[in-house]
Amino acid sequence: GESVGLHLPTLSVQEGDNSIINCAYSNSASDYFIWYKQESGKGPQFIIDIRSNMDKRQGQRVTVLLNKTVKHLSLQIAATQPGDSAVYFCAENVNAGGTSYGKLTFGQGTILTVHP
Amino acid sequence: DVKVTQSSRYLVKRTGEKVFLECVQDMDHENMFWYRQDPGLGLRLIYFSYDVKMKEKGDIPEGYSVSREKKERFSLILESASTNQTSMYLCASSFQRSYEQYFGPGTRLTVT
Repeated sequence: GESVGLHLPTLSVQEGDNSIINCAYSNSASDYFIWYKQESGKGPQFIIDIRSNMDKRQGQRVTVLLNKTVKHLSLQIAATQPGDSAVYFCAENVNAGGTSYGKLTFGQGTILTVHP
Repeated sequence: DVKVTQSSRYLVKRTGEKVFLECVQDMDHENMFWYRQDPGLGLRLIYFSYDVKMKEKGDIPEGYSVSREKKERFSLILESASTNQTSMYLCASSFQRSYEQYFGPGTRLTVT
């Protein structure tokens, strides 16, 4: 999971394994969550999102699970490949109305390393 | 494809210099954002803009200002660069009613 501090959580898996990256979010009023992938030397890229009226959403090889009771979000990557190696960020919307619409609060990130 | 470009990938400046970081997006997005990214701290919002000439402070605006004279361009200004502003700076944009932000490649700024 993600934690405050200078050291990012890390996850190391073998190619072909399934990966689960966890995220604890802070604001019970948040109603939109998004996962980003950041490869070395690049900006973050959208992976998948989910609204708070859902508890699961699937994409291609990725699934996001949302547990609002414990304010927990997870990203599952099936059959992980070396190209999945990156830093993964979860983000939640800043649901304070007005001009805050569109703002996100990001977690610290998790480093995923996939070994061939 | 949405394209967000940033003027420089790497920049080295001296303490006290005025620094301009430029960001341009080609998708007619209303919202634009500037973040800094430091190891272990994720992305922290410096400033954002929801319309031309409109701006709002983010979580860490101290030492920075912004300018948005045209819809496609959002500039971050360091009035007097300091060593603690050495960081990766990321620009992003999104449609007005969307949370999905599109990011540029980042500018790695070193202040010596």
